[in-house]
Amino acid sequence: QSALTQPPSASGSPGQSVTISCTGTNSDVGGYNYVSWYQQRPGKAPKLMIYEVTKRPSGVPDRFSGSKSGNTASLTVSGLQAEDEADYYCSSYASSNDCVFGGGTKLTVL
Amino acid sequence: QVQLQESGPGLVKTSETLSLTCTVSGYSISSGYYWGWIRQPPGKGLQWIGNINYNGSTNYNPSLKSRVTISLDTSENQFSLKLSSVTAADTAVYYCARSRTYCSGGSCYLPGYWGQGTLVTVSS
Repeated sequence: QSALTQPPSASGSPGQSVTISCTGTNSDVGGYNYVSWYQQRPGKAPKLMIYEVTKRPSGVPDRFSGSKSGNTASLTVSGLQAEDEADYYCSSYASSNDCVFGGGTKLTVL
Repeated sequence: QVQLQESGPGLVKTSETLSLTCTVSGYSISSGYYWGWIRQPPGKGLQWIGNINYNGSTNYNPSLKSRVTISLDTSENQFSLKLSSVTAADTAVYYCARSRTYCSGGSCYLPGYWGQGTLVTVSS
């Protein structure tokens, strides 16, 4: 079981859009539409932002969207706001009945 | 709204067994869903440890499987984590979690609700 690959950092100015990638294999990201994205602010527990690749839980702004192509899932944050600055983690269900996380991406709002 | 709260020793000695409990409120753990543990070493990313479903079936991270046990205590509406033979590398914030409501299939393995986390330090 290897961690999913995310860029360590991403950044954008307020109002811009930024996309964070999450690359796995056909045994996890590519094999199932079971990818979630989490936002984690310092000292806090992660918060679910996207589930099943593209779906948003109630209360998550529609500025957050998810997609997938092949073995790579992506999280896009549109209309960046200062409050979006946080760490973002992807996660996927994997064959052999387990779960794998990405290494995390630190999003900076310039 | 389901709520989860981790509890247990904040300091564990090297080679001993780490034991944590997650107390659940707002939902009966025997009614459904997967109940899991995730950890985060200081300054690092998240690592899935394993989960247990409402009828007691478990799944573990292959890299930790030989040392991990997750169990349910339905009478107390709690579930627990035991990690044996710990070393400094097991120092982390440990989170308990539950599937998202109305999940299905493999989606249920991915956390929807999280506890606040508890720091466990392993030291001799």
